[in-house]
Amino acid sequence: ETGVTQTPRHLVMGMTNKKSLKCEQHLGHNAMYWYKQSAKKPLELMFVYNFKEQTENNSVPSRFSPECPNSSHLFLHLHTLQPEDSALYLCASSPGDSGANVLTFGAGSRLTVL
Amino acid sequence: AQSVTQLGSHVSVSEGALVLLRCNYSSSVPPYLFWYVQYPNQGLQLLLKYTTGATLVKGINGFEAEFKKSETSFHLTKPSAHMSDAAEYFCAVTPYGGSQGNLIFGKGTKLSVKP
Repeated sequence: ETGVTQTPRHLVMGMTNKKSLKCEQHLGHNAMYWYKQSAKKPLELMFVYNFKEQTENNSVPSRFSPECPNSSHLFLHLHTLQPEDSALYLCASSPGDSGANVLTFGAGSRLTVL
Repeated sequence: AQSVTQLGSHVSVSEGALVLLRCNYSSSVPPYLFWYVQYPNQGLQLLLKYTTGATLVKGINGFEAEFKKSETSFHLTKPSAHMSDAAEYFCAVTPYGGSQGNLIFGKGTKLSVKP
């Protein structure tokens, strides 16, 4: 596999469920990101990891919990979400976290919270 | 604070016509500028970027954009639209020397191409 792979592609969960989104990159990149894409709103950066260390948490509610066990894998653990959390969650990676770097995105995980 | 404004959430052109998607930014320092494209059911992919040097930047699929500092603009153009160009286009900006944590995206412009 090449590029950035996200699983699952679609997820429906109740507000009391616990689920996780997974992201894997095969590009040898050192930085990984979670973005939230909602209709009619700009992409919102949620978290940045550089060399497995979290370097950015964009005031994300604690019901979203990221985990980066190594530079190739990134998880987003979901717990007691709200209906307004329904969105497309995009994972991305880049060689480093310099602003000049290009992001490579996965296809996204479409989350619906009932 | 930085911001990105994409004028027009929807743009419709005929096949073969000029494509012009507008992007204006506000930044207190020189920026890095990007255009990304998102096809249905896919993630975003880079079309082109400006960091330094030549202000006219050529990207993939025949697209190009020009950085105009005096107008704080980075409009995306393509001389002749193709049906396969139908997608959503996002402009993004981050300050020169900044990190990806500073990257700000516009709301996107959905391009439709009529036969």
